[in-house]
Parts: sequence; C-alpha cells; structure tokens
Amino acid sequence: SVLTQPPSVSGAPGQRVTISCTGTSSNLGAGYAVHWYHQLPGTAPKLLIYGNTNRPSGVPDRFSGSKSGTSASLAITGLQAEDEAAYYCQSYDSSLSGVVFGGGTKLTVL
Amino acid sequence: QVQLVQSGAEVKKPGSSVKVSCKASGGTFSSYGISWVRQAPGQGLEWMGGIIPMLNIANHAQKFQGKVTITADESTSTAYMELRSLRSEDTALYYCARSGYSSGYPVIWLGMDVWGQGTTVTVSS
Repeated sequence: SVLTQPPSVSGAPGQRVTISCTGTSSNLGAGYAVHWYHQLPGTAPKLLIYGNTNRPSGVPDRFSGSKSGTSASLAITGLQAEDEAAYYCQSYDSSLSGVVFGGGTKLTVL
Repeated sequence: QVQLVQSGAEVKKPGSSVKVSCKASGGTFSSYGISWVRQAPGQGLEWMGGIIPMLNIANHAQKFQGKVTITADESTSTAYMELRSLRSEDTALYYCARSGYSSGYPVIWLGMDVWGQGTTVTVSS
C-alpha cells in the first residue's frame, strides 16, 4: 500500500493505543489531508476522523487524529471491547492522481 | 440523512462485465462526489475511482483505467460502476461512498462519510 500502517496493535481495556500511518512527499508530505476509518467484520467502513483532526458528529472524543510531515496518527483512549476492528488511513496522492489507503491495522482489545 | 443503497450480489463468468448501481435514498447526491472502493476477501480497501455528478467529472484510478467506467444519473441520484474483462482476482466486495472533494484541476478527493452496504461480485467459471 502507498500508505504504511502496522498490521496489528493491541491494548487492554481502558488503555491508550496509537496507530501510525506513514506516507511520502506525494501524499501526506505534500499537505494532503488524512482521514481515518474503522471497519467491523462484515460491515462497511465508518469515517472516524476527517481532515487530519476532525471528528464527524457521533464519533466519541476518545478518538483523535494528528498529522505532521509525512506521518499521521490515530489515538484511541479509554479502549473498549467494541473498538476491536480494522482501522484504515486514507489520503490523496498527486503522483497517482487519486485516493490511496493504508493497508489497514487490526486492533485487538486484550 | 442520505443513505446509499447498492444493487444485489452478482456472479459472473471470466471475461464478462458487471455493472453495480448505487442510489441515494432519503436525499440526493447534492454537491458531493461518489467514490467506488473495493475490498478483496481478507484484504484492505482499494479506491477504483469517483465521480462528481453535479459536474459530470469522473476520475478513474490509474490501475483501473480502461477496465472500469464510472457514471452517474443525477435525475435518479444513482451512480454506476461498470467493470469489464472480469477475472477471478476481481472477486471482491464493492462499495460506493459519498466523498468530499476540492474542486479544481485535478480534483482532490477527500474523506468518505456515507457508505453503501456493499455489493459482492464473484467471478467464477
């Protein structure tokens, strides 16, 4: 994938975890925004964070996003069992003239 | 709140084509774009392209150019994705999603806030 994410992360209930998303000078490094989704098994992805740091209505403030240079991160605090899902970052790439996704990160709540 | 309702599952032979529809229910496309994203079994998300119905502008991902055609009918608030020359590797779940965009040239596609339920396309002889 054009954007690089760790395949998996884990944490205990109540803990804080972060998921990284690393890009290049043609996407995150060029200033294009990053967006984050989570996907429960058998369901469509759901937008969690848009425009680097913004939460859509209804998304708990336990979820937060940040971006700096060619990297971005999604932080989840107060981990809950229901957070166990796959998480994807997404941006725009000028070399490809299109949308790019990270390969996805599987979050396991221990 | 607008919902995106996709057409039903398809089973196709190799070499054939498939056309998946995505209709806005409870609203219209308005000024948004519609992206098409596919997910092969057990794999991640892959953007195929998108269309801005109001401007009749369609972008296709480089990987899919010549293989996919994305269109829209604003009068019925329905978008379509046609995939040709199907191969077994095209077996996947296909989603449409409402997309923000930054107008200009080229179009900069932004986040996707409303997703369809997905359409399974199985390619098998």
